[in-house]
Amino acid sequence: AQTVTQSQPEMSVQEAETVTLSCTYDTSESDYYLFWYKQPPSRQMILVIRQEAYKQQNATENRFSVNFQKAAKSFSLKISDSQLGDAAMYFCAYRSAGYGNKLVFGAGTILRVKS
Amino acid sequence: EAEVAQSPRYKITEKSQAVAFWCDPISGHATLYWYRQILGQGPELLVQFQDESVVDDSQLPKDRFSAERLKGVDSTLKIQPAELGDSAMYLCASSLVGAYEAFFGQGTRLTVV
Repeated sequence: AQTVTQSQPEMSVQEAETVTLSCTYDTSESDYYLFWYKQPPSRQMILVIRQEAYKQQNATENRFSVNFQKAAKSFSLKISDSQLGDAAMYFCAYRSAGYGNKLVFGAGTILRVKS
Repeated sequence: EAEVAQSPRYKITEKSQAVAFWCDPISGHATLYWYRQILGQGPELLVQFQDESVVDDSQLPKDRFSAERLKGVDSTLKIQPAELGDSAMYLCASSLVGAYEAFFGQGTRLTVV
């Protein structure tokens, strides 16, 4: 079974600085997708960034980028120029490309942004 | 913009009572997920549908939980009887099949007293 591990329960960053959130996963599949979701307090989960496992190039979305290391099964999220609105719970998620497209989440990392 | 609709937003129920949650996915999304999220933790998959068929319900406590998606569109998750430990946020998500991300509803916050 696939598992996702986020080893940082909580992180803090100063406004305008850069922070990296860690994620590792375990799978025997070769084709899959990885996501970072953001869940602001009392608000719904939204997608931040997506990475296809077959792509070597790391995904980038504005201030958000990932470091995808397939051999190491590592998928970290880097947030540059942190803003107060980035404060939220961040979840790393794995989606199988096989039958069922099962979507598995990590335990989450609370990100606090200091002004 | 299309959204996943869930109702109710909040539900307080007494222990041993029955409770039901409803989810209407984004039109055209064949895959529908129900997750349970305990405060401060990650979502735990309860059941996954592909159209009207159950793909995965291995983590669904079948002695008290049931889920259906009769016409492959909207879905209902039921708990009977509710227990104190069922207090959590119940999230519904939907997606197209394949590489696409799942879109989440706002969730139903259940409190069992």
